[in-house]
Amino acid sequence: AQKITQTQPGMFVQEKEAVTLDCTYDTSDPSYGLFWYKQPSSGEMIFLIYQGSYDQQNATEGRYSLNFQKARKSANLVISASQLGDSAMYFCAMREDTRGELVFGAGTILRVKS
Amino acid sequence: DTGVSQDPRHKITKRGQNVTFRCDPISEHNRLYWYRQTLGQGPEFLTYFQNEAQLEKSRLLSDRFSAERPKGSFSTLEIQRTEQGDSAMYLCASSLSRGSVYEQYFGPGTRLTVT
Repeated sequence: AQKITQTQPGMFVQEKEAVTLDCTYDTSDPSYGLFWYKQPSSGEMIFLIYQGSYDQQNATEGRYSLNFQKARKSANLVISASQLGDSAMYFCAMREDTRGELVFGAGTILRVKS
Repeated sequence: DTGVSQDPRHKITKRGQNVTFRCDPISEHNRLYWYRQTLGQGPEFLTYFQNEAQLEKSRLLSDRFSAERPKGSFSTLEIQRTEQGDSAMYLCASSLSRGSVYEQYFGPGTRLTVT
């Protein structure tokens, strides 16, 4: 069965510094995708970045990068040069390619301090 | 911007009443998903459609819940005989089924409060 674990309920980071949000996953399917979403206090879920299980390189999207370690089943999100607007809840999610749904972790609240 | 839209944004109802929510996906997206999110938790999958066909249903989707996507465009989620435990944010998302990423784009959600 699919499972996502986010062990950090909350994180603080100083503005302009980098921060890593942890995510580990469990699946028996060899083909899957890993996603990160941001949910600000307004409630909408914003897609940030995707990593496929067969991708050789770590995904990057602007200030977001995904540190994918397949053998350790981890998919950590790295946010570089944090901004005050990055304060939000961040969810890691996985989709097995044979299924349609995303399975989400419990989330990590990130607070950026000025 | 023609993102995913949901209506209503908020719904307060009394226990035992029926409620219906609507979701309009991004126009070219053939997949539509429903999730439920309770406070402090990640979204939980309920069901999804590809075009008008309902392909998967979670065991969370009890007999009181029904979803439709009659013409492969908008979708409705109905909850009959609401219970206080149904209070949550109901999120709709849509995606394409072509390509390898299938990222899902979410609507703003409908917040249901059952009193």
